Amino acid sequence: GAVVSQHPSWVICKSGTSVKIECRSLDFQATTMFWYRQFPKQSLMLMATSNEGSKATYEQGVEKDKFLINHASLTLSTLTVTSAHPEDSSFYICSAGKQVNEQFFGPGTRLTVL
Amino acid sequence: AQSVTQLGSHVSVSEGALVLLRCNYSSSVPPYLFWYVQYPNQGLQLLLKYTSAATLVKGINGFEAEFKKSETSFHLTKPSAHMSDAAEYFCAVSEGTGGFKTIFGAGTRLFVKA
Repeated sequence: GAVVSQHPSWVICKSGTSVKIECRSLDFQATTMFWYRQFPKQSLMLMATSNEGSKATYEQGVEKDKFLINHASLTLSTLTVTSAHPEDSSFYICSAGKQVNEQFFGPGTRLTVL
Repeated sequence: AQSVTQLGSHVSVSEGALVLLRCNYSSSVPPYLFWYVQYPNQGLQLLLKYTSAATLVKGINGFEAEFKKSETSFHLTKPSAHMSDAAEYFCAVSEGTGGFKTIFGAGTRLFVKA
């Protein structure tokens, strides 16, 4: 199989704090990982593409200084939401690419900023 | 640029009835097409994918989809709906040139009535 995990599954934080979300491919190596954001009752919006050993590529309109992405190894990518505010509250989903055009999705992380 | 349009944000069927979820795509290159299902507060699960092989693609849980280039469509069907099929369904398109970047449709919520 191809399993992708995310940690934590949910997090509540105070406004102004930073939150780190981990995405791991458990049984395969992923040179490319993706981070999506999903608002309630809406579709997934690609935030950034993360390549192991290089800088992430951010989609238009996504603040790279606010959403820090690090792809430290072939099995781990992290998303850090810096100085989080209530409008950053959302469902964040990562995916990992295993083969050409085949992605496997993590279970998502629910972020609530108070 | 690629895009995906899912017709109908909500579809309601009776248990045992045919399920038809519509998806039209736009792509300047041969597309890879996907259908995903999402249950509440969970990540995405791949139902099936089209990768330029057979135009009729069979997936999990009895779902199938047919790629029609002339209509730029990739509609999802299931002959007989089950209560457990109630979920959000996303159609997605990816570049067929080897890239992973995936664009998602807005999603269709499927309701199954007893």
